[in-house]
Amino acid sequence: RKEVEQDPGPFNVPEGATVAFNCTYSNSASQSFFWYRQDCRKEPKLLMSVYSSGNEDGRFTAQLNRASQYISLLIRDSKLSDSATYLCVVNPGNRDDKIIFGKGTRLHILP
Amino acid sequence: ETGVTQSPTHLIKTRGQQVTLRCSSQSGHNTVSWYQQALGQGPQFIFQYYREEENGRGNFPPRFSGLQFPNYSSELNVNALELDDSALYLCASSLPSKGETQYFGPGTRLLVL
Repeated sequence: RKEVEQDPGPFNVPEGATVAFNCTYSNSASQSFFWYRQDCRKEPKLLMSVYSSGNEDGRFTAQLNRASQYISLLIRDSKLSDSATYLCVVNPGNRDDKIIFGKGTRLHILP
Repeated sequence: ETGVTQSPTHLIKTRGQQVTLRCSSQSGHNTVSWYQQALGQGPQFIFQYYREEENGRGNFPPRFSGLQFPNYSSELNVNALELDDSALYLCASSLPSKGETQYFGPGTRLLVL
């Protein structure tokens, strides 16, 4: 099993629809989790942290399932501007292990 | 904007040459991490510096080396460049705990011919 795995997509979704991505991780001791957004030829930018209890920020909801070792991102009422690559990030939380990025899921919102 | 700056923005080198990339961290951040992002891939962790000392390293050969200065700015040096080193090199600064959010600079796009 890869350390952090995401469906590369692309997900082609009509504007206004709801879309969800999952990201699985292999290290059960991982401590913190994030979703980053990366636009074409730009740097990654933090979208949201993922908390054990789940968290919501406007149209975006992130959830963590430790038992099944995955995190999810739900986008409601998608906008054209949501088109980007969404990167899952897992931090093992100890100094000897590196922060791991997934390869990203590409999302295209269609007008 | 994150306040993390990188230079140069673009660079073209030939195989065997050496390159130095620079990064200034966000004010108040004393931890800098470097990543390599090849086309179509996620960022790969190269190494991290905390208070001028290396604080973790990914699976990169020794020809990838770095420095952090007292003002927390950092350099990434790559010797004996190979074609596969062509990538976007990203610098990210963060607060001391490794679990904290990474703030990325705009990156340096390196092309090795």
